[in-house]
Amino acid sequence: DIVMTQSPDSLAVSLGERATINCRSSQSVLYSANNKNYLAWYQKKPGQPPKLLIYWASTRDSGVPDRFSGSGSGTDFTLTISSLQAEDVAVYYCQQFYTTSRAFGQGTKVEIK
Amino acid sequence: EVRLEESGGGLVQPGGSLRLSCAASGFTFSSYYMYWVRQAPGKGLVWVSQIGGDGSDARYADSVRGRFTISRDNAKNTLYLQMNSLRDEDTALYYCARDHGGSGVEYWGQGTLVTVSS
Repeated sequence: DIVMTQSPDSLAVSLGERATINCRSSQSVLYSANNKNYLAWYQKKPGQPPKLLIYWASTRDSGVPDRFSGSGSGTDFTLTISSLQAEDVAVYYCQQFYTTSRAFGQGTKVEIK
Repeated sequence: EVRLEESGGGLVQPGGSLRLSCAASGFTFSSYYMYWVRQAPGKGLVWVSQIGGDGSDARYADSVRGRFTISRDNAKNTLYLQMNSLRDEDTALYYCARDHGGSGVEYWGQGTLVTVSS
């Protein structure tokens, strides 16, 4: 089974500054037949269900602010919040869709410094 | 509007059983893979199970395989999770969720809480 590992486990960023979260998969999630990375990112706030931010590793879901961006390919991926806002305080998760195990990373907690 | 509403959670003793339900509306239910995802108190998200639109391709996390059974009734637009031989570590908020074309989970319910305790 693919194991997803995020880093760091938590980070504190000043308002307006950049936040960067990394996600590494134990094997490639790039499907060569369509050149798509089967990797999604979610935002999870307390008391709310997760919210899909990014799919195909770099495609923003409808309505997601453009300060959120995803990058990477193969086994290494990054979620970037270009200018952190107060409402971005949350736990962020990556998830692979390459295999049927659909594993999540352990989560990265983003706070305001 | 897509809506997913879970029910069936509650307090159960170790070794007991529960059946979760998820009522779906606002989309063509039979056209989508559906998932169960859980979050234990203070822990991260864990994928539990998935099922194809026609009821085939049922898959399970290693931690629940052989104890949990996912199913769906497309005539009733309802997803189920039969949970047997429950353990303390199955205590969690269980979310029902809809696939996003094989690339993510786009819609989620609010979750139903399962507590396994004696």
